[in-house]
Amino acid sequence: QQQVKQSPQSLIVQKGGIPIINCAYENTAFDYFPWYQQFPGKGPALLIAIRPDVSEKKEGRFTISFNKSAKQFSLHIMDSQPGDSATYFCAARGGGGADGLTFGKGTHLIIQP
Amino acid sequence: DADVTQTPRNRITKTGKRIMLECSQTKGHDRMYWYRQDPGLGLRLIYYSFDVKDINKGEISDGYSVSRQAQAKFSLSLESAIPNQTALYFCATSGTSGGTDTQYFGPGTRLTVL
Repeated sequence: QQQVKQSPQSLIVQKGGIPIINCAYENTAFDYFPWYQQFPGKGPALLIAIRPDVSEKKEGRFTISFNKSAKQFSLHIMDSQPGDSATYFCAARGGGGADGLTFGKGTHLIIQP
Repeated sequence: DADVTQTPRNRITKTGKRIMLECSQTKGHDRMYWYRQDPGLGLRLIYYSFDVKDINKGEISDGYSVSRQAQAKFSLSLESAIPNQTALYFCATSGTSGGTDTQYFGPGTRLTVL
């Protein structure tokens, strides 16, 4: 059973556009929702994260929108650049003493010049 | 030097062989994790450890075992490797001090089981 569903699987956006990646979860015990960015041949690196008591968080060009009642959260990348081309993963942590992250399947993002 | 290192970076082995993947960290973190990444499936948690004496199974622990030799070292073993364990394996760490939840990932080990 996939507990974090991510869409789309792939996304192509022109430079300067705003790619949006969406995730939905089922487990209401999740207490922490990070987004990771992964470049080919590298390990994932934390991009931005949010807790369920906050509806939005911005860090630079990256914004997380969080809808607790709908159990959905999304990543927006403002003024996207070719250097943002990477695979993006949403994730959620178990809560209640459980640890480790449950990841979505990833979105392969290409920003065209 | 990298904060989270994994050895080896690449390994090709045969079905039935015992394999150990090693992870070391210099971040002083108490929590360590092993994940597996397969194309199109994201990352899945194999095992995690809160400290040297506390090891927990993740989503896909069958066929794997771990050892936390020290706070800085966490090893993953495949007792009898099989082809469907071919994947990219990542170690990660996080610390409970400082109020941070960030998990820091190593560069990964690409394992191929023939």
